[in-house]
Amino acid sequence: EADIYQTPRYLVIGTGKKITLECSQTMGHDKMYWYQQDPGMELHLIHYSYGVNSTEKGDLSSESTVSRIRTEHFPLTLESARPSHTSQYLCASGSGLRYTFGSGTRLTVV
Amino acid sequence: GQSLEQPSEVTAVEGAIVQINCTYQTSGFYGLSWYQQHDGGAPTFLSYNALDGLEETGRFSSFLSRSDSYGYLLLQELQMKDSASYFCAVRDSNAGNMLTFGGGTRLMVKP
Repeated sequence: EADIYQTPRYLVIGTGKKITLECSQTMGHDKMYWYQQDPGMELHLIHYSYGVNSTEKGDLSSESTVSRIRTEHFPLTLESARPSHTSQYLCASGSGLRYTFGSGTRLTVV
Repeated sequence: GQSLEQPSEVTAVEGAIVQINCTYQTSGFYGLSWYQQHDGGAPTFLSYNALDGLEETGRFSSFLSRSDSYGYLLLQELQMKDSASYFCAVRDSNAGNMLTFGGGTRLMVKP
């Protein structure tokens, strides 16, 4: 079944650690996105990609980086995690008015 | 840029009808869509309007008036499971044709 997958679902790590949040989709979408969302708050676009080897920063400044080497894979990396990075990170794919979201990664940096 | 306004919270009783409004300001409007998000979950697509009028999908309907820069989501025969946050989102041709989300409306359905 075509879908979008995010791992890990929950992550607690120490300050200064490097982490990569995984996102993969099997829907063949060219466009993929990363959103950051605090509990009960709005979604903020932090990165997006129009296709392989295309990555752009979103509206919300983020210290994370992304890569798009394969159409189906759009990982997000934090080189040195800080408590201010504690949030939920949502990956999505799609175009037009219909996006499909992954289940999200709830990140806690202690 | 774009901006979207929607109420932060709405409360209704089970079986009732509720309308969640969304007004927007954008220079290259391409359409309005709605997403539902339960606590701890991911947003899921509900409906979209690219043209004026009403779109019906089961108990949920969405309406758009481009001349008024306004849309709404209508939920009928409310159920407890409808308690969630609802986000409107606009597609803007001047923002890379990507969706920009509103702040969300938290709907609480009471027995």
